[in-house]
Amino acid sequence: GAVVSQHPSRVICKSGTSVKIECRSLDFQATTMFWYRQFPKKSLMLMATSNEGSKATYEQGVEKDKFLINHASLTLSTLTVTSAHPEDSSFYICSASSQGAAGYTFGSGTRLTVV
Amino acid sequence: DAKTTQPTSMDCAEGRAANLPCNHSTISGNEYVYWYRQIHSQGPQYIIHGLKNNETNEMASLIITEDRKSSTLILPHATLRDTAVYYCIVRDNYGQNFVFGPGTRLSVLP
Repeated sequence: GAVVSQHPSRVICKSGTSVKIECRSLDFQATTMFWYRQFPKKSLMLMATSNEGSKATYEQGVEKDKFLINHASLTLSTLTVTSAHPEDSSFYICSASSQGAAGYTFGSGTRLTVV
Repeated sequence: DAKTTQPTSMDCAEGRAANLPCNHSTISGNEYVYWYRQIHSQGPQYIIHGLKNNETNEMASLIITEDRKSSTLILPHATLRDTAVYYCIVRDNYGQNFVFGPGTRLSVLP
């Protein structure tokens, strides 16, 4: 079945640094990928829709300059958290859809801790 | 906003059937009912989806009422590894993202 690989699974970084999270569709091409954020004991919240070859579409309240999304190929989307602060600590999850598949496939998530 | 309502939490004895309800009274004719689950610190996992008819796969069964305003996910023989948050989502096939509500936290007890 369709597999979405997300890397790294965990990352700890210092305040003020930037962190890049990768989301890869391993056995299919994904023109659209989605990035979600999840706080402890809360549900997933959509941050942005990543479109291959064009600018991402951000949800209201999500700073595009803070969360940079690049979708340069049909199998890779990256989310860069710039100038990270402790309040950016969260669980970040990507998802993608393969043609003909039921629903979307989600990555395993990245737990970001900013210290 | 999520278009579904689910109980916040449920318990189920190991080996018994787990029946998770979902209300989606405003569902439109072209919207499917999807079920995902999320085990702690992992990404959501697809379980099953349906439009009108009841559906069954190797993981679960989905029972949709005739008026489509509610549905029930059935895990026939729950195991401890089925402990997770279960999300019921309605979405049409042309929609973009999945909108997640709070879900139901299912605890399977030994």
